[in-house]
Formats: sequence, structure tokens, C-alpha cells
Amino acid sequence: GQQVMQIPQYQHVQEGEDFTTYCNSSTTLSNIQWYKQRPGGHPVFLIQLVKSGEVKKQKRLTFQFGEAKKNSSLHITATQTTDVGTYFCAGLSLNDYKLSFGAGTTVTVRA
Amino acid sequence: ETGVTQSPTHLIKTRGQQVTLRCSSQSGHNTVSWYQQALGQGPQFIFQYYREEENGRGNFPPRFSGLQFPNYSSELNVNALELDDSALYLCASSSGRRSGANVLTFGAGSRLTVL
Repeated sequence: GQQVMQIPQYQHVQEGEDFTTYCNSSTTLSNIQWYKQRPGGHPVFLIQLVKSGEVKKQKRLTFQFGEAKKNSSLHITATQTTDVGTYFCAGLSLNDYKLSFGAGTTVTVRA
Repeated sequence: ETGVTQSPTHLIKTRGQQVTLRCSSQSGHNTVSWYQQALGQGPQFIFQYYREEENGRGNFPPRFSGLQFPNYSSELNVNALELDDSALYLCASSSGRRSGANVLTFGAGSRLTVL
């Protein structure tokens, strides 16, 4: 079955620094979605990418979908304490109906 | 519009017992997906219901079962509870048969502890 891998598992960032988290799928995807889960909370939708090579920005967050539609990245610039949480990518394979989630990247921020 | 609500928020059971978790989907959504999230892991797909029928199932045993009602609310039932069933159970509502093609709106979850 489809597997979605995320690296790194943990990201410790100094406030103000940039970082990137990566997502790789074992199969070609129809779309990829990103969710954020705050400590003690539930996943909240951030973005959906559908097209090969697509890049979308939300303020300090930049999301990219790979040309082969098998990988994605999330880049955060000038990290703030509000960025703390776990970021999940979730992919939909071409012949599937459900999202498969990665294990997440848990971000902590040093002030 | 109302969001997704789940009940109960927390519960404790012992091995062998049965549990029922409930979910009210977001207004306008006709698909409900259930996920199990163990501590430190990503959500794992259990099954989904579209217009009252189960139309997809993940790698979970038959003792995990569910229902969807005409108002699109849903229940997750787990029989013969095992220690490994301890997790956060998330309900997500969406529109359309192919849930992964659309945005999932998650509830706050039901945290189950099995002793």
C-alpha cells in the first residue's frame, strides 16, 4: 500500500530562523494536503496542492509539490512561537479514495 | 456553519469492554472518515462512510465498526478492547465519495484509554 514518509521527525528551531520539512510518497499522488496540529489539538487544514510543480504561499509558509507528484515540502521563514506544533502531509494516490498521512514533523521554537 | 463535534472527549475503559464514539459532521458534508492517532504518530485511516454506506476501510480488524445516520452524523464502535486501542480517535467530515480529494474538517477527537 501507499506510504508517506516525512523528515525530519523533530525540528528544533531558533525563533527567527527558517526551516523546511519534507514529504515523500511511495506512489504518484493526485493531490497532497498539509495539516497542522497544535499540542493537545486536532489536525487543521493548511493547504492542498494538485498540480505538478505547484507552489503556494501563505504568509511565511511556502508549500511545493514536486514535478513527479511524489514529494512535497513546507518551508517556514522567520519562525515564530506560533509555529509550534506538528505538521502533517497527507497524500491521495491516483487510484485511491482516502488520504494517507505521514508521521509528522514536530516543531519546537526556542525564543 | 457548525464544525465537527465529537463525544465523549475522554474516556477510560478496560480490556474486553466495548466503546461507542460519536461524531456530528459539518453542515453540508456527506462523508465521514474515522482516523486513529496513537501518541506521536500520524492519523491512521480506519474507514469512511458516504451517504450512510461504508465505502472504504483501512487495515483495522472487524471489531472496529461504524454507522452513518441520515443526518450524516456517525458512530465508531470498538468491541473487545485491547491495550493497543488506546489512542485519539478523530472524526473528519468532507464532501463527496472520494474523501481524499477534498479538505478534511476534523473534530477535536475522543481520547480513549484502555487499562
